[in-house]
Amino acid sequence: GENVEQHPSTLSVQEGDSAVIKCTYSDSASNYFPWYKQELGKRPQLIIDIRSNVGEKKDQRIAVTLNKTAKHFSLHITETQPEDSAVYFCAARRTISGSARQLTFGSGTQLTVLP
Amino acid sequence: DVKVTQSSRYLVKRTGEKVFLECVQDMDHENMFWYRQDPGLGLRLIYFSYDVKMKEKGDIPEGYSVSREKKERFSLILESASTNQTSMYLCASSSPPGPEQFFGPGTRLTVL
Repeated sequence: GENVEQHPSTLSVQEGDSAVIKCTYSDSASNYFPWYKQELGKRPQLIIDIRSNVGEKKDQRIAVTLNKTAKHFSLHITETQPEDSAVYFCAARRTISGSARQLTFGSGTQLTVLP
Repeated sequence: DVKVTQSSRYLVKRTGEKVFLECVQDMDHENMFWYRQDPGLGLRLIYFSYDVKMKEKGDIPEGYSVSREKKERFSLILESASTNQTSMYLCASSSPPGPEQFFGPGTRLTVL
């Protein structure tokens, strides 16, 4: 099955600095890579995603890059703000059966933005 | 706006009890999922369902079962709760071909 590794497990940055979280995956058949943000006490929410036919995607201060050859993808947050403090999860998706598609999640990164 | 709800935010049960966790979504989604979330382990898939009465094992199904009698409702059952099942349980739903999974608020289960 798929295995997703995520690093680092904790990350502290000064407000205004950039943050980078990296994930690797094992199954070359995986074709969709979302990132979820989970604020304290709240549910995970999708913040950005990328498909395997694209190398980079950007949405304001957030960007994701994908290297299919190396099987790794990264989340980049620029100009970090205190409200970016949360746990971030990467995931990889593969088709299991019919239309069912399973996400395999990384272990999470606790990002703390220091004022 | 997609809404996924779970029957309880907090639940305390005794070892050996049968536990039911309920999840309801209001967007007519075909796919529903149950995850458990533990520190340092991320979200791990327990079971999922891609249609009514259909179910598939995820990565950690041992000690759990599920039921999906109606499209909007997906239940997770712990037949005989054990202390190692103390965890946060998250339900999610999605509708193909859209890949995004929408999560419920979670149920924090403590087994004493």
